[in-house]
Amino acid sequence: DVLLEEFGGGLVQPGGSLRLSCAASGFIFRDYAMTWVRQAPGKGLEWVSALSGSGGNTYYSDSVKGRFSISRDNSKNTLYLQMDKLRAADTATYFCAKDLFATSSSWIVNSWGRGTLVTVSS
Amino acid sequence: SYVMTQPPSVSVAPGETATIACGGEDIGSKSVHWYQQKPGQAPLLVIYYDSDRPSGIPERFSGANSGNTATLTISRVEAGDEADYHCQVWDRDGEQGVFGGGTKLTVL
Repeated sequence: DVLLEEFGGGLVQPGGSLRLSCAASGFIFRDYAMTWVRQAPGKGLEWVSALSGSGGNTYYSDSVKGRFSISRDNSKNTLYLQMDKLRAADTATYFCAKDLFATSSSWIVNSWGRGTLVTVSS
Repeated sequence: SYVMTQPPSVSVAPGETATIACGGEDIGSKSVHWYQQKPGQAPLLVIYYDSDRPSGIPERFSGANSGNTATLTISRVEAGDEADYHCQVWDRDGEQGVFGGGTKLTVL
């Protein structure tokens, strides 16, 4: 079975940095594009960032472009999200998610982790 | 970036049909995907490419997309369908994914 587990959330001050990790198992990690989605408390889903299976193509939402960096280590079956210059508005539960189809990036996510909470506050 | 609008809430009686709209400029030219999210849970894909159902999703769930509106239809609504529903597209121009604001479905 597909398993995605996020790590690295916590409390950070405005302007600070945090690195999230997502450990994947149960599928051939390198074959799938991966996505980060966040959800502020009581709010809807917000797409954050995605990258292709090889990691060669990366995409960001306007709200995080220039501050966040997505990457992956296919040898470790792990997805990362480096978050810099954090703001209060970045406070949310961050989910990592797996693409629906192997080898082609559809940007449709069909498997999700349970999420990790990031709180940006002084 | 591309913007999609959903009604905040929809209410329906058990056994009736629920229709949830997702509006956006020329959304009919894009592929729309729908996710169901119950409280405290991760989202679940229920419709992709406008009208396809992943395995395990009941036939009661269907989708359509034309013009400026995409719709998710749930027939013979059950109490277990009560959840938030989110539409999503890939914005090719902006090279980013986009979610609608979400709709809370209440089963009366």
